[in-house]
Amino acid sequence: QKEVEQNSGPLSVPEGAIASLNCTYSDRVSQSFFWYRQYSGKSPELIMSIYSNGDKEDGRFTAQLNKASQYVSLLIRDSQPSDSATYLCAVNPVTGGGNKLTFGTGTQLKVEL
Amino acid sequence: DGGITQSPKYLFRKEGQNVTLSCEQNLNHDAMYWYRQDPGQGLRLIYYSQIVNDFQKGDIAEGYSVSREKKESFPLTVTSAQKNPTAFYLCASTPEGTGELFFGEGSRLTVL
Repeated sequence: QKEVEQNSGPLSVPEGAIASLNCTYSDRVSQSFFWYRQYSGKSPELIMSIYSNGDKEDGRFTAQLNKASQYVSLLIRDSQPSDSATYLCAVNPVTGGGNKLTFGTGTQLKVEL
Repeated sequence: DGGITQSPKYLFRKEGQNVTLSCEQNLNHDAMYWYRQDPGQGLRLIYYSQIVNDFQKGDIAEGYSVSREKKESFPLTVTSAQKNPTAFYLCASTPEGTGELFFGEGSRLTVL
């Protein structure tokens, strides 16, 4: 059973702090990794994708991938109240054909004033 | 503007009725997907289609059916065989060669 594990939270951080969201996955051959943000009652939106080991930065967001440890994380710098949402980690297992992403259950982030 | 349109946004159904959820995209994406989301759970794949007139079952296809007669359209029918259909249904598409999903706004189905 391919799994993607996330701490459900809520993770509470003060405004301006760094939020660190973590995700582990079980399928060692996974090649593509994604972070989606989902506001309550809305559909997910892609915020980061990462394909190779190391860090990838986009504005206030940094995705980190360590394939040896089967671990992917998302850092949000200078957290804002508008960042309060559920963050979904998704992994493309590659095997089986198609882009069949497996999603974690999400981590709820609360940025407090 | 390019995007994915799902309708209806909210739908109420009596037990034993089939319902069809519409998904239309004008992004010129070949691949389209249907996911289901339940409270506190991640997204689970129902069906996906990589080209017109072809589709594959996902992890939870039982009680659902789809068609892909046009590139732009990928409707999902929730049949009476689906034991617990109340959920948030999400349609998505991807550009060729990537796994980056673009989602519609979703359809929330409630069975009364």
